[in-house]
Amino acid sequence: EAQVTQNPRYLITVTGKKLTVTCSQNMNHEYMSWYRQDPGLGLRQIYYSMNVEVTDKGDVPEGYKVSRKEKRNFPLILESPSPNQTSLYFCASSLDRGYNEQFFGPGTRLTVL
Amino acid sequence: KQEVTQIPAALSVPEGENLVLNCSFTDSAIYNLQWFRQDPGKGLTSLLLIQSSQREQTSGRLNASLDKSSGRSTLYIAASQPGDSATYLCAVSRSNTDKLIFGTGTRLQVFP
Repeated sequence: EAQVTQNPRYLITVTGKKLTVTCSQNMNHEYMSWYRQDPGLGLRQIYYSMNVEVTDKGDVPEGYKVSRKEKRNFPLILESPSPNQTSLYFCASSLDRGYNEQFFGPGTRLTVL
Repeated sequence: KQEVTQIPAALSVPEGENLVLNCSFTDSAIYNLQWFRQDPGKGLTSLLLIQSSQREQTSGRLNASLDKSSGRSTLYIAASQPGDSATYLCAVSRSNTDKLIFGTGTRLQVFP
């Protein structure tokens, strides 16, 4: 089944404890990105990647890192999480640059205490 | 700066009604527009994608139209069902490699 998977789905952590949220797609998509969703602010892009070893900042990149060592994986790294990073996170991928229909993962609900 | 607005913010209708959800955007220079469905606590499911050169797309009971010049899109849902209850989001992009800019969403409830 074609899909985007994220892990973990739910995470409660404390300020300053490094964490990684994994994202994987099995559709051979080139384009992958991370969004966060907050009440009243909607979905905003954090980082994106147009292919292996090519990443760039989105609208709200502060406090996050990403890497794209393999085409299928695009992990989101929070080196030192803070309470303002409490949010619902989505990973997305696109079939190819010309089409750009984006497929989303199920989301990761992160709470930073 | 592109802004996307969806009206109404919430809608409650009886089962069987045909309904229209609206999406407006401030910059008509879009590459495509996509409609999503989001169930509570779940991810986003892509419903329809309209390229900027297209006027509409249909999938089952759903029909989405696009009027770039006026900065509007509508999602028409025919014969609504309780299973259609969800939040519907529209999003636009400026290019084939650009991020999606999302609207605020319309929360739909269809009651039996």
